[in-house]
Amino acid sequence: KAGVTQTPRYLIKTRGQQVTLSCSPISGHRSVSWYQQTPGQGLQFLFEYFSETQRNKGNFPGRFSGRQFSNSRSEMNVSTLELGDSALYLCASSRTGSGNTIYFGEGSWLTVV
Amino acid sequence: TQLLEQSPQFLSIQEGENLTVYCNSSSVFSSLQWYRQEPGEGPVLLVTVVTGGEVKKLKRLTFQFGDARKDSSLHITAAQPGDTGLYLCAGVGNSGYALNFGKGTSLLVTP
Repeated sequence: KAGVTQTPRYLIKTRGQQVTLSCSPISGHRSVSWYQQTPGQGLQFLFEYFSETQRNKGNFPGRFSGRQFSNSRSEMNVSTLELGDSALYLCASSRTGSGNTIYFGEGSWLTVV
Repeated sequence: TQLLEQSPQFLSIQEGENLTVYCNSSSVFSSLQWYRQEPGEGPVLLVTVVTGGEVKKLKRLTFQFGDARKDSSLHITAAQPGDTGLYLCAGVGNSGYALNFGKGTSLLVTP
């Protein structure tokens, strides 16, 4: 079956702009979580959604937001981009999120200039 | 604050050598997972350890969960170039929804 699909794979944005990243989970998976990966901080949890509801949120500013649609697809948005937002953004899906294996997508590389 | 500390941060060895990487925390986790991430790809789950003292083997990889469920180790026997990658440990909290990752051990195995 198809894996977790993230779009776009690469993008460059300017400081102050906003960006929306998309994630299509594995079919049948209802939990989608987002992570930010940087060389300095490693992988950090952003938030997790299940059945269109945010169940858990990491320690990121309010500029980072997300949502999940009825078909389990998810988007995350970063507003007022800063240089430090340059990172690999990873989406992961699982059946229910708790105790299930999670599967990561290949990520979206965001560069802020 | 990084809850999980991984060591070493970088490791470069020759094919055929053995190695051990460590994952330590002051927190107790309900379970701990190990992932490998290759360049340009997302992390891929290798194993989940749940019980304190548990040892799991995956071919040449041996994973151990500490008795107190605060630390874990990954031992690779006779490393091969295909083992090259970033090895990440992740602790699963009580909610089970969020993974707390270490910064990873970057392993390079040269022929």
